Amino acid sequence: DAKTTQPTSMDCAEGRAANLPCNHSTISGNEYVYWYRQIHSQGPQYIIHGLKNNETNEMASLIITEDRKSSTLILPHATLRDTAVYYCIGQSHTGNQFYFGTGTSLTVIP
Amino acid sequence: DTEVTQTPKHLVMGMTNKKSLKCEQHMGHRAMYWYKQKAKKPPELMFVYSYEKLSINESVPSRFSPECPNSSLLNLHLHALQPEDSALYLCASSQELEDRTTYEQYFGPGTRLTVT
Repeated sequence: DAKTTQPTSMDCAEGRAANLPCNHSTISGNEYVYWYRQIHSQGPQYIIHGLKNNETNEMASLIITEDRKSSTLILPHATLRDTAVYYCIGQSHTGNQFYFGTGTSLTVIP
Repeated sequence: DTEVTQTPKHLVMGMTNKKSLKCEQHMGHRAMYWYKQKAKKPPELMFVYSYEKLSINESVPSRFSPECPNSSLLNLHLHALQPEDSALYLCASSQELEDRTTYEQYFGPGTRLTVT
């Protein structure tokens, strides 16, 4: 299972893009990278996932490096409601188990 | 409907009590999960059920006993807990559980458990 490392905390100005990095240098070829976020005392919320190619949905974009050792989650126009802990997760190669890393606490500043 | 519901929202129990946490989903998902989350820590996987059978037990103490009565329902029975078991207990579900296939997990809001 891929171990992920993320910065402990980050700030972002409201309206600007938030770029959250994740290192997953031990990821294997068939393991996906998932991103979730957790707003205080709520359940984690799915954001996006990918394997090799960059992905985009209505919430965010996911950029995965060619060697797959790292990725960046991009929130294009951060709002105050995006303040949360963001988790980058390497999905287990044996199935669908998620092993959360320590996450990045993102604070969006007015 | 992409909702996972959990009851109760809050639970306070003594160390000699027996209580149960309940989780329900109506998305037709066949995999369900229990996680434990201590304050300021990430969620930790406890149990995984696939097609109503226990698939993974992450070496959880026997005072936690999971049960999956049907494909929509997941229970966590609690008995003789310790104060250090106080945490947020999260339930999640996903479409299926297959090797080398991936599905996003949908999480419930959690049950905040306090053991006194």
